[in-house]
Amino acid sequence: GAVVSQHPSWVICKSGTSVKIECRSLDFQATTMFWYRQFPKQSLMLMATSNEGSKATYEQGVEKDKFLINHASLTLSTLTVTSAHPEDSSFYICSAWRGETQYFGPGTRLLVL
Amino acid sequence: EDQVTQSPEALRLQEGESSSLNCSYTVSGLRGLFWYRQDPGKGPEFLFTLYSAGEEKEKERLKATLTKKESFLHITAPKPEDSATYLCAVATSGSRLTFGEGTQLTVNP
Repeated sequence: GAVVSQHPSWVICKSGTSVKIECRSLDFQATTMFWYRQFPKQSLMLMATSNEGSKATYEQGVEKDKFLINHASLTLSTLTVTSAHPEDSSFYICSAWRGETQYFGPGTRLLVL
Repeated sequence: EDQVTQSPEALRLQEGESSSLNCSYTVSGLRGLFWYRQDPGKGPEFLFTLYSAGEEKEKERLKATLTKKESFLHITAPKPEDSATYLCAVATSGSRLTFGEGTQLTVNP
């Protein structure tokens, strides 16, 4: 069964609005979660590492004020895309380690009009 | 800097035609090499983890092998439902994964 869940699975919003995506670990605790972005026909690009109880670590070139990450509990991390623009349209995927394996959520498709 | 290169970028096979996908890597201290399968519009699905050269793992029609410089994903007698993008990733220091660009596999009936 699923190990990591995401909500919503897809979202359409108007340019300038903010969108929140949730990532939950199911039946296990995750002190660290990861947020990836994937463009069509491309591989996964790590955006940031979400740490429970502390600030997220962002990859070079990722705007931390635009992509707000909150690791609210040991089973929940949220990614908020602030003031979204059409270029933010993408497939966002979260993941978490359970034991020796990193499991991925089903992804969230964001379309900004 | 850790690097992962997958080849070919795309592969078309006829049903039953066996083949291999390649993942070559350059890392400073391999903690694990991972294979994932990704279907369109979905998150990656875990397949295998390999930790040391010489290790092999199998699951149904898939077999993953590892050397000191590369990994192969062998697909034996593939079926159309094996069509997907196969991703290779390495874990080195810390807990992050570095992904290759993937191989898009299409199996025609």
